Amino acid sequence: DADVTQTPRNRITKTGKRIMLECSQTKGHDRMYWYRQDPGLGLQLIYYSFDVKDINKGEISDGYSVSRQAQAKFSLSLESAIPNQTALYFCATSDFNDNEQFFGPGTRLTVL
Amino acid sequence: QKEVEQDPGPLSVPEGAIVSLNCTYSNSAFQYFMWYRQYSRKGPELLMYTYSSGNKEDGRFTAQVDKSSKYISLFIRDSQPSDSATYLCAMDRGSNYKLTFGKGTLLTVNP
Repeated sequence: DADVTQTPRNRITKTGKRIMLECSQTKGHDRMYWYRQDPGLGLQLIYYSFDVKDINKGEISDGYSVSRQAQAKFSLSLESAIPNQTALYFCATSDFNDNEQFFGPGTRLTVL
Repeated sequence: QKEVEQDPGPLSVPEGAIVSLNCTYSNSAFQYFMWYRQYSRKGPELLMYTYSSGNKEDGRFTAQVDKSSKYISLFIRDSQPSDSATYLCAMDRGSNYKLTFGKGTLLTVNP
């Protein structure tokens, strides 16, 4: 099955540590997205990428960076994690010119 | 005022009930309207998609859009325990990439 996978699924880290969340997809989609989900706030867009050379900031990019290593891989980094970055992080993909986004299973990140 | 408002619930109903989930929005530029379903510890998955005012039916699910009132609804008939999930509305201005999500409504259907 074509799929969107995320690693790790759960991560606990300490304030100030650098952490990377990884996303891979086998759907063949060009577009990839990173969201965070907080209770009571819904899904907020962090970064999105239309292809390997096209990366754009979303609503809440401060404190985050991304890397699109290949069409199928999109990584999210927290350079110096802080407690208010504790959240559920989702990667998503979509085909060109299609609204439907396909989400990965999520990474639960806790920053102590 | 947030662009998309959705009552977070929680909403608890008995099996077989008709469920109504709603979102309002303030930006008349929104053209495409979606409902995503998110089970616990899973990512959201697209449930319904509409782009015009009116109703769209798919099995037990009906999506309704009223652009004049800036109001969308999702109705679930004969609700089942397997419908227990968080339901998120999402909207697009026609960008084909930037979705604006509601906060989600947590639904529990009790056997």
